[in-house]
Amino acid sequence: ELKVEQNPLFLSMQEGKNYTIYCNYSTTSDRLYWYRQDPGKSLESLFVLLSNGAVKQEGRLMASLDTKARLSTLHITAAVHDLSATYFCAVSGSRLTFGEGTQLTVNP
Amino acid sequence: NAGVMQNPRHLVRRRGQEARLRCSPMKGHSHVYWYRQLPEEGLKFMVYLQKENIIDESGMPKERFSAEFPKEGPSILRIQQVVRGDSAAYFCASSPLVWDEQYFGPGTRLTVT
Repeated sequence: ELKVEQNPLFLSMQEGKNYTIYCNYSTTSDRLYWYRQDPGKSLESLFVLLSNGAVKQEGRLMASLDTKARLSTLHITAAVHDLSATYFCAVSGSRLTFGEGTQLTVNP
Repeated sequence: NAGVMQNPRHLVRRRGQEARLRCSPMKGHSHVYWYRQLPEEGLKFMVYLQKENIIDESGMPKERFSAEFPKEGPSILRIQQVVRGDSAAYFCASSPLVWDEQYFGPGTRLTVT
């Protein structure tokens, strides 16, 4: 059974700082997704990573994928308050399996 | 192109009642997936359907839960005799191809009192 683990689960950071969220998964997969969820809202797709070494950037967020290590990272650069949300990674196998989520709070 | 639509957005049921959640996939999408999100948790896969067929229901509880995706009309997730533990957000997603990128609906938040 595919397992997906994220860490940290809770992250409180100051505006302007950098940080990385990690997503480990247990079996090989052909694609990995990052989603953002605001409280009481649905999931917003951020990135789709399809191959080893894939790197995608959008604004202050950058996602990467290392399929050999079964690891994806979501790097936050110079955080701003608007990035406060819960971030999920999800791995595609015979089903889409989600991590537990990282609840990010960016403080002024 | 309208996104995935779910209704109702909020549903309150008393214990023992039935809950019916509806999902209309994006135009051109024939693959529908249902997920449940308990408070403070990630999404858990429940069931994957194509038109008139249940493809994978391995995430569905064995009792009280059923899903369908008829030839015409939305997909329906039905929960009979709801209990407090069924209180959760239920999300539907659709994709144009099997296990392609999934687009999520706004969710139905079920509260069982």
